Amino acid sequence: QSVLTQPPSVSGAPGQRVTISCTGSSSNIGARYDVHWYQQLPGTAPRLLIYVNNIRPSGVPDRFSGSKSGTSASLAITGLQAEDEADYYCQSYDSSLTNYVFGTGTKVTVL
Amino acid sequence: QVQLVQSGTEVKESGASVKVSCKASGYTFTGYYVHWVRQAPGQGLEWMGWINTDSGDAKYSQNFQDWVTMTRDASISTAYIELKRLRPDDTAVYFCARYCSASANCYATNAFDIWGQGTLVTVSS
Repeated sequence: QSVLTQPPSVSGAPGQRVTISCTGSSSNIGARYDVHWYQQLPGTAPRLLIYVNNIRPSGVPDRFSGSKSGTSASLAITGLQAEDEADYYCQSYDSSLTNYVFGTGTKVTVL
Repeated sequence: QVQLVQSGTEVKESGASVKVSCKASGYTFTGYYVHWVRQAPGQGLEWMGWINTDSGDAKYSQNFQDWVTMTRDASISTAYIELKRLRPDDTAVYFCARYCSASANCYATNAFDIWGQGTLVTVSS
């Protein structure tokens, strides 16, 4: 069972804004470990979407943004597009487990 | 082009072992740790462990340490994960991923910046 909790699913119409939460604890996100986000399109490998809480790699559209506060982090997608339909995972490090950890994953559906 | 290319689909019987490879190209293999991540059918991502591709040291998640071994052959820029005593619930896609540490020549500090395409391991009972 993952120590980072995400909503199982979120949905929105094209052009809308959706947010995905990633809730952790004092041994991971709250311990100031960085949060990273990955997008996984159906049948493909994950790809890095956001690193160090809020930085987009080259090639990632600016409609994706990340934030972190306390023991939680969020991914926002503004101007939702059909191609954004995918699974999204947050990831951090947990000092109690001494493990890297992933969130439970969120499926984004474009209505 | 920086990439990780994994070996192909495997079908094994319960109790068997399997070794999956992950070949790096386009960068200095020994400059970056390689991590392994498991994804069971319809499930999320689960971290398995890492290997220091320079020294060969490895660290495993407690969930996998008794039946997984990570190795590497630096001469051919390839990392391996061996899964032993396979069970049907080990059926999953196994991914390797490059870890971008603060001391490495990459931008995405502390993230998994490059992923292999995944290797499906199917275990029959």
